[in-house]
Amino acid sequence: KAGVTQTPRYLIKTRGQQVTLSCSPISGHRSVSWYQQTPGQGLQFLFEYFSETQRNKGNFPGRFSGRQFSNSRSEMNVSTLELGDSALYLCASTQGSSSGGETQYFGPGTRLLVL
Amino acid sequence: EDQVTQSPEALRLQEGESSSLNCSYTVSGLRGLFWYRQDPGKGPEFLFTLYSAGEEKEKERLKATLTKKESFLHITAPKPEDSATYLCAVRSGNTPLVFGKGTRLSVIA
Repeated sequence: KAGVTQTPRYLIKTRGQQVTLSCSPISGHRSVSWYQQTPGQGLQFLFEYFSETQRNKGNFPGRFSGRQFSNSRSEMNVSTLELGDSALYLCASTQGSSSGGETQYFGPGTRLLVL
Repeated sequence: EDQVTQSPEALRLQEGESSSLNCSYTVSGLRGLFWYRQDPGKGPEFLFTLYSAGEEKEKERLKATLTKKESFLHITAPKPEDSATYLCAVRSGNTPLVFGKGTRLSVIA
């Protein structure tokens, strides 16, 4: 089975621009979660989607948004980029709703650099 | 609020020198404790899921154990390829996964 895929793998943007990142979960998985990872803060939760509905949202400003499509693929968008948005953005998928103890499987991440 | 603290922050071992990594957690109603391994610039790779105190799981040189307040990742006779950051995360109820800051392990040949 193919793992979680994320595109693009690397991205360079300038302040004020917006960016869209894409995630395709493992086949059959219906839940997708997004995380931001930085050296100082570690892995921080952004949002979680299950069957096209946002189930949880982390403590990030409204510039960060996401959505999930009927085929479980997910996108996240960051508008008006700031230097501090430079990070590794990780997507993880779970077969079920992930509200229990189901394991999340991570993709390789998208490295975003904001100049 | 769920909290996860991992120690030590960094650990340097000689090849073959066994040791343990600690993950202390505070949650209301643990639904699962997860261990991941992360290599630089890559996504976390799943290692183990533990659900209840007393549970143990093993994979090659790694063994994870769980008590009501902490989990240990024991590394037996490590090799240089075991060098990575090891992440611990917990889930309670419908809340998102909460990660610790990780332990950076270096195994020197």
